[in-house]
Formats: sequence, C-alpha cells, structure tokens
Amino acid sequence: GAVVSQHPSWVICKSGTSVKIECRSLDFQATTMFWYRQFPKQSLMLMATSNEGSKATYEQGVEKDKFLINHASLTLSTLTVTSAHPEDSSFYICSARTQAGRYEQYFGPGTRLTVT
Amino acid sequence: LAKTTQPISMDSYEGQEVNITCSHNNIATNDYITWYQQFPSQGPRFIIQGYKTKVTNEVASLFIPADRKSSTLSLPRVSLSDTAVYYCLVGSAGTASKLTFGTGTRLQVTL
Repeated sequence: GAVVSQHPSWVICKSGTSVKIECRSLDFQATTMFWYRQFPKQSLMLMATSNEGSKATYEQGVEKDKFLINHASLTLSTLTVTSAHPEDSSFYICSARTQAGRYEQYFGPGTRLTVT
Repeated sequence: LAKTTQPISMDSYEGQEVNITCSHNNIATNDYITWYQQFPSQGPRFIIQGYKTKVTNEVASLFIPADRKSSTLSLPRVSLSDTAVYYCLVGSAGTASKLTFGTGTRLQVTL
C-alpha cells in the first residue's frame, strides 16, 4: 500500500513556542491531505483538509490562525501549531488518499506533541 | 457524512473468529465502507474496503448486506496482536472526500 510519513514522531516544546509537523506521501502524489488530532483513549478528530496550492479547509471549532496548514507540493503538507499551550498536547495524524483503486486513505504514523 | 455506530468494546480468546458490526443507516449511494485498525500511539492502518456483498483479503473479510445499512468485519482466528481499536468509516470515493471517525471498537484478545 501507499506510504505516508510524518516528522517528527514526537516533539516536546515550551509553552508559547511554535512547532511544525511535516506530512509526506512517499510513493504517490496527494493533492489533498487531512490532519487529525487524537487525545488519549479517544477517537480521531478531523481538524482540516489540506489542499495543494490553495487554502486549507478547517472543521468547525478549529482555529485556523493557531493551526497553520501549508500544502506546498503534491507530496508535502505541514501543520504548524502556533503559540502552543499545554492543552494543545495531543497526537497529530495526517492522511492522504491515493487515486488508485477505490481511493483508500492512508495514514501517517502520527506525531506526539507535548507542550510544557 | 454518514454516521457510524459500533460496539464500544469486545473481548475474544485467541484463535476465535471475531465479527464486529457497524451500523450506517444513512449511507449514500456513492459511499464506500472502510475499516481501519489502530494500535496505541500509531496511525490507523487500512484493513479492508467494500461497497456491497462480500470482500475478502489476506487479513479479513467484509460482509455488506443488500441494503448497505450495516457491515461486518470478520477477523479469522485472532491472535493477541490483533488487540487494537477498529474503526468503521463511510465515505465517498475521491481524493478530496474526507472521512470522519466514530468511536471505534476496542478489541481485547486474551489467551
């Protein structure tokens, strides 16, 4: 199957700083990528849809000025958590759908963000 | 987006067949049904996808009745390593079509 990578796999930052998380599709091009966050023992929550060459579409309740998304190429989307606070500590997961077959969606391994 | 309903948790012994059923009463005509497996601190892993009837791959089978308002993921002869959360998702084909996760089913396999 298709492979999606994320970097870093975990990051610890101080409150008030910004953190950038990268999501790459390694063996396919992705015009659209998705960003999710997941708190312990909970399901994944869709944050936004990242569109190559255009603005991201955010889900209701997600602050677009706090979670900056850039989809600079067909294989890379980045999520920047600006002015991070402890409540932003979470597991962030990206995904992309391939154009082959039935458009299966493949997920990255996730990034654990801890804000101290 | 079609909402899905699954049992919160299930228990099984190693070697048994496990069937997890998902309800999706308002599934649309162009929606597919996809199942994912997630281990702690990992991204979800694609298991199987189907539109109608039965689909089988090397790890699971997916049964979808004619009305498509539910689906059943069947895991043959589970092992301890199948302990995970299983999510049923419904969504249309297309690279920009987003998928929304429900609560998932936490499967615990024991000896």
